[in-house]
Amino acid sequence: AQSVTQLGSHVSVSEGALVLLRCNYSSSVPPYLFWYVQYPNQGLQLLLKYTTGATLVKGINGFEAEFKKSETSFHLTKPSAHMSDAAEYFCASWGSARQLTFGSGTQLTVLP
Amino acid sequence: DADVTQTPRNRITKTGKRIMLECSQTKGHDRMYWYRQDPGLGLRLIYYSFDVKDINKGEISDGYSVSRQAQAKFSLSLESAIPNQTALYFCATSGRDRDRNTGELFFGEGSRLTVL
Repeated sequence: AQSVTQLGSHVSVSEGALVLLRCNYSSSVPPYLFWYVQYPNQGLQLLLKYTTGATLVKGINGFEAEFKKSETSFHLTKPSAHMSDAAEYFCASWGSARQLTFGSGTQLTVLP
Repeated sequence: DADVTQTPRNRITKTGKRIMLECSQTKGHDRMYWYRQDPGLGLRLIYYSFDVKDINKGEISDGYSVSRQAQAKFSLSLESAIPNQTALYFCATSGRDRDRNTGELFFGEGSRLTVL
């Protein structure tokens, strides 16, 4: 069965600093990978996704993620954090089970 | 108006009561899902439906049932609610399998259920 592991349930960064949220997946075949963001009192929305092709994918709001098959990772980065980036971020994978499996989430706090 | 609408947004009920959470969508998607969100556990799939006649159990279906009344409507029922079903519930939709769309879900704003 596939699984998704997010390292760090809470991450704090200063405004303007690099954001790095870690995600590792477990799958017998490379899955499709996603990052979703959840702002307070809202549902989840898609930030970016990797299906096939270029391993560095760009998403909304300046975020990007790189698929590294050798490391089974799909870490999310943003060069400069903004206060509006404060939210919970979920990594997810879609595999042979035709279901979306979510990680446990990382709460990002941006400090002024 | 939201593309995926959930009602009610908040509900407090007592142990043993029957509860229904409703979801409707205007995206024209065939696939609909119910997830449960608990702190530290992420989202877990309860049930999903790929069309009106196709309903499947997810990871945590015990204690829940669903009904797909139409392409646009998918409701979740708790026949006899218990306190550990207190959670935030999300409905989501997606289009059919195509490389560009696979796994891209569109979520409602959630229904917060508290069972006392």
